[in-house]
Amino acid sequence: AQRVTQPEKLLSVFKGAPVELKCNYSYSGSPELFWYVQYSRQRLQLLLRHISRESIKGFTADLNKGETSFHLKKPFAQEEDSAMYYCALKRGTALIFGKGTTLSVSS
Amino acid sequence: SAVISQKPSRDICQRGTSLTIQCQVDSQVTMMFWYRQQPGQSLTLIATANQGSEATYESGFVIDKFPISRPNLTFSTLTVSNMSPEDSSIYLCSASDTGELFFGEGSRLTVL
Repeated sequence: AQRVTQPEKLLSVFKGAPVELKCNYSYSGSPELFWYVQYSRQRLQLLLRHISRESIKGFTADLNKGETSFHLKKPFAQEEDSAMYYCALKRGTALIFGKGTTLSVSS
Repeated sequence: SAVISQKPSRDICQRGTSLTIQCQVDSQVTMMFWYRQQPGQSLTLIATANQGSEATYESGFVIDKFPISRPNLTFSTLTVSNMSPEDSSIYLCSASDTGELFFGEGSRLTVL
């Protein structure tokens, strides 16, 4: 069955520290993965997708098929990165989401 | 990009009643979806709203409980029927045309 696992419910770091939000997936086939972010009082929005291999707001994510992972990384966290982050896997035309990780960045 | 508007943004409902949520997209989109986000939980796909035909429901969701309409390429409705407190949740409309999924702000329903 297709599944997305985000093992951490909350990740707290200090400003300037590196961040890694973990995401593992289960999918038979060639996966298409995304990271979505929800800032306080805002709607859910796309942060990045693995096929574009881009860096958005300093975040990157690499698909590791061997480890079935798509971890989100940023070398130096900023306070404005505090938000809820969801990893998502494309299934057909829709997305299935992990449970999300709250990132809290404090000074 | 697509801008999605949902109405109502929130409502408090009585047990046994039904409520219809409207979703309007500012451009024509191929795909529209309805998700549910229960307190402290992730987003769960309810169904794919198909234009001009019956919605495609995920396991655990049925048409009698969550009837969906999609009369055209920019509009859809989700009805939550015969509500119980377990239906208290945020219901999210989403749309996709180029692969990226856009979301509405959600409709927060509280069932007493």
